Amino acid sequence: DTEVTQTPKHLVMGMTNKKSLKCEQHMGHRAMYWYKQKAKKPPELMFVYSYEKLSINESVPSRFSPECPNSSLLNLHLHALQPEDSALYLCASSPRTESLEKLFFGSGTQLSVL
Amino acid sequence: GNSVTQMEGPVTLSEEAFLTINCTYTATGYPSLFWYVQYPGEGLQLLLKATKADDKGSNKGFEATYRKETTSFHLEKGSVQVSDSAVYFCALRAPERRQLTFGSGTQLTVLP
Repeated sequence: DTEVTQTPKHLVMGMTNKKSLKCEQHMGHRAMYWYKQKAKKPPELMFVYSYEKLSINESVPSRFSPECPNSSLLNLHLHALQPEDSALYLCASSPRTESLEKLFFGSGTQLSVL
Repeated sequence: GNSVTQMEGPVTLSEEAFLTINCTYTATGYPSLFWYVQYPGEGLQLLLKATKADDKGSNKGFEATYRKETTSFHLEKGSVQVSDSAVYFCALRAPERRQLTFGSGTQLTVLP
């Protein structure tokens, strides 16, 4: 199993809603990542978890709240988002943060904020 | 700082044409270099990589050679197919960093 599974694939939410994005991998990877990708742009790193601990937060607004409940799961909790937060949110994993040569991406959640 | 510069797209080719997508980089030390491909509606997939100078990465008919002297990692394919239509990202990982630096991406469209 070399998959990173993200749910939902599509999400539409209002600015007052609270929603969560989920990511799962069963490759035994201990590093997991959230990226944000706007249309026709490269992915931008948001958060990195290493051994279930947050190791990098790229100055992301607090309306995005990551959570890593165990080594296989990564969540991104969303609250009071703005329309400019509409984007493709990609989860990725690698064996360790040093092992970016073995980085696997999920297919993403396409988020629209109305 | 570290940066990756890709040729601007979009690139449109006919099936069986030769493909080159240019990529140059700026980094301290000896970075690892990558090409990722993103098909519509999907995440990024690693296409090929090279970890030291003069290494050639190859996969699915695509090739790229790590050229330290020209700080380049150009992507090539001898005969493209319609199914190669996608966005291609060049990326690097600097030795002291645990993050990837991506180029801006190049949209490739192959026409039958």
